[in-house]
Amino acid sequence: DTEVTQTPKHLVMGMTNKKSLKCEQHMGHRAMYWYKQKAKKPPELMFVYSYEKLSINESVPSRFSPECPNSSLLNLHLHALQPEDSALYLCASSQDYRGEETQYFGPGTRLLVL
Amino acid sequence: AQKITQTQPGMFVQEKEAVTLDCTYDTSDPSYGLFWYKQPSSGEMIFLIYQGSYDQQNATEGRYSLNFQKARKSANLVISASQLGDSAMYFCAMREGNAGGTSYGKLTFGQGTILTVHP
Repeated sequence: DTEVTQTPKHLVMGMTNKKSLKCEQHMGHRAMYWYKQKAKKPPELMFVYSYEKLSINESVPSRFSPECPNSSLLNLHLHALQPEDSALYLCASSQDYRGEETQYFGPGTRLLVL
Repeated sequence: AQKITQTQPGMFVQEKEAVTLDCTYDTSDPSYGLFWYKQPSSGEMIFLIYQGSYDQQNATEGRYSLNFQKARKSANLVISASQLGDSAMYFCAMREGNAGGTSYGKLTFGQGTILTVHP
């Protein structure tokens, strides 16, 4: 089973709202990732968690706040977003954070910031 | 410099025909992994196939095969017997395996190729 689930599928929020994106995997993977993807562009890495610790932050603005409550869950807390943050947000996981490990992606959350 | 190059923004193929999607890569790391993902309009990124830099044989997964030419640094995806459901964006990606490098473990994507399968 290579399933990564994400909720919600769609989210519309105002610039003053606070919302959270959720990601879950039950494959025993120890690395989890958040990506942002604009239309017709490749995904851009935002954050990497390895063994529940934040390993990589790709200079993401502080209005995006990741959290890894346990090895199966990954959250992305959103606050005071801008319209340009509207995008598809993809979560992924892999067995470990190593070069040969395949990343498996969830279906994504389509975010619209008004 | 681009680490992953996909030179075909769009490709068209007739149903039941085979199609090749091009991918070239650039790395000085002897250890790396190459991946192909399919992304339908629904948005989910679906893993298709993996090739390790030390693998002697080309990877195959059902109708998908990877034409790996290490000296040319190319990793083309071949889809045989195309189906209407193959219409999607296809991304080639690479992860470098050198634990001491700044790119270690990061998945670098190409710009993608939109494949359209005609009936």
